[in-house]
Amino acid sequence: GAVVSQHPSRVICKSGTSVKIECRSLDFQATTMFWYRQFPKQSLMLMATSNEGSKATYEQGVEKDKFLINHASLTLSTLTVTSAHPEDSSFYICSARTGVGETQYFGPGTRLLVL
Amino acid sequence: AQKVTQAQTEISVVEKEDVTLDCVYETRDTTYYLFWYKQPPSGELVFLIRRNSFDEQNEISGRYSWNFQKSTSSFNFTITASQVVDSAVYFCALSEAVTGGFKTIFGAGTRLFVKA
Repeated sequence: GAVVSQHPSRVICKSGTSVKIECRSLDFQATTMFWYRQFPKQSLMLMATSNEGSKATYEQGVEKDKFLINHASLTLSTLTVTSAHPEDSSFYICSARTGVGETQYFGPGTRLLVL
Repeated sequence: AQKVTQAQTEISVVEKEDVTLDCVYETRDTTYYLFWYKQPPSGELVFLIRRNSFDEQNEISGRYSWNFQKSTSSFNFTITASQVVDSAVYFCALSEAVTGGFKTIFGAGTRLFVKA
């Protein structure tokens, strides 16, 4: 099956620092990657959709300058949380799919804790 | 507008019981996709099934079965003879076309506890 990896799996950082999370599709080319955020005991909230080689499309209410997304290749997307604050602490999950309407496969998630 | 409703927040059953997780969706499109994912305590989402809007055939995979009813906009998931390892949060999701591509939204999830 399709495998999506995320790195790091867990990160603790000080307030004000920036954190980069990588998402890779290991055995397929992902035309589209998605970034979700999940708070404890809540559902996944879509933050942004990125297509390889183009700018990400952000959901309403998501600050594009705070959550920088780069989709440099068909197998790699990165999410950078800039100047992180405690309220950014969350579980960030990426997913990837090969084409429109195809199944989204999810990475294992990254737990971010901002002190 | 898309909407996915999983009315059951938590369900608790005893091992070997059958359990059905409900999912009701709203969409204006005729072409859309429905999914179920499992999220165990580790956090990683596991894909279970994908259905397109033109395929109403029910599906069985081992102890899992899915009932897709377009007439009631429902896509329910049944686990037969539940096991402790089935304990997880289960999400139903809907994917439909929006400007620029397809967008997937998730229901709130149903937390299933299976007791030994």
